Amino acid sequence: KQEVTQIPAALSVPEGENLVLNCSFTDSAIYNLQWFRQDPGKGLTSLLLIQSSQREQTSGRLNASLDKSSGRSTLYIAASQPGDSATYLCAVLNTGTASKLTFGTGTRLQVTL
Amino acid sequence: NAGVMQNPRHLVRRRGQEARLRCSPMKGHSHVYWYRQLPEEGLKFMVYLQKENIIDESGMPKERFSAEFPKEGPSILRIQQVVRGDSAAYFCASSPPGGGWSGYTFGSGTRLTVV
Repeated sequence: KQEVTQIPAALSVPEGENLVLNCSFTDSAIYNLQWFRQDPGKGLTSLLLIQSSQREQTSGRLNASLDKSSGRSTLYIAASQPGDSATYLCAVLNTGTASKLTFGTGTRLQVTL
Repeated sequence: NAGVMQNPRHLVRRRGQEARLRCSPMKGHSHVYWYRQLPEEGLKFMVYLQKENIIDESGMPKERFSAEFPKEGPSILRIQQVVRGDSAAYFCASSPPGGGWSGYTFGSGTRLTVV
């Protein structure tokens, strides 16, 4: 059974800092991994999707890496801004169960002025 | 492209009533998935549907919960005889034909409160 863990559970950084969010998963037989952002009381916004054959994806100040063999992904946020404050979720899509994502419990990020 | 549309955004029901949550997938998407987020917990898969077919309902509670995706109209998640423990955010996602290989798009969710 796939288990997804995100560390840390919460993080507070001053504006302008670069930061790394971690995601680990127990079963490396995945099709892809997706990072989402969730604002309080809102839905999920997809940030980056990494296919199992890829090592990283970039979008603006965000960079996500994937090491499938070790069951790890990181989300790097450069030059953080207060608007980046949200909960960040990673989710994996397992082979053989191409219908259901397994989510981590998220990292709650606060970027302070 | 309006994205995945869910309604209502907020729903309050008394214990024992029925709750109906609706989801319209993105244009061009034919696969719909429902997830539940309990307070202070992660999102959990409930059910995967295509038009007129339930593909995977392994995450659905055995009783009181049902889902459909008719040929015409939105997907419906129905909860009968709601209890306080059903209070949660229910999210719908959709994907293109072929499944989640190219990623999922989520709606804004329906927040159900049972009083």
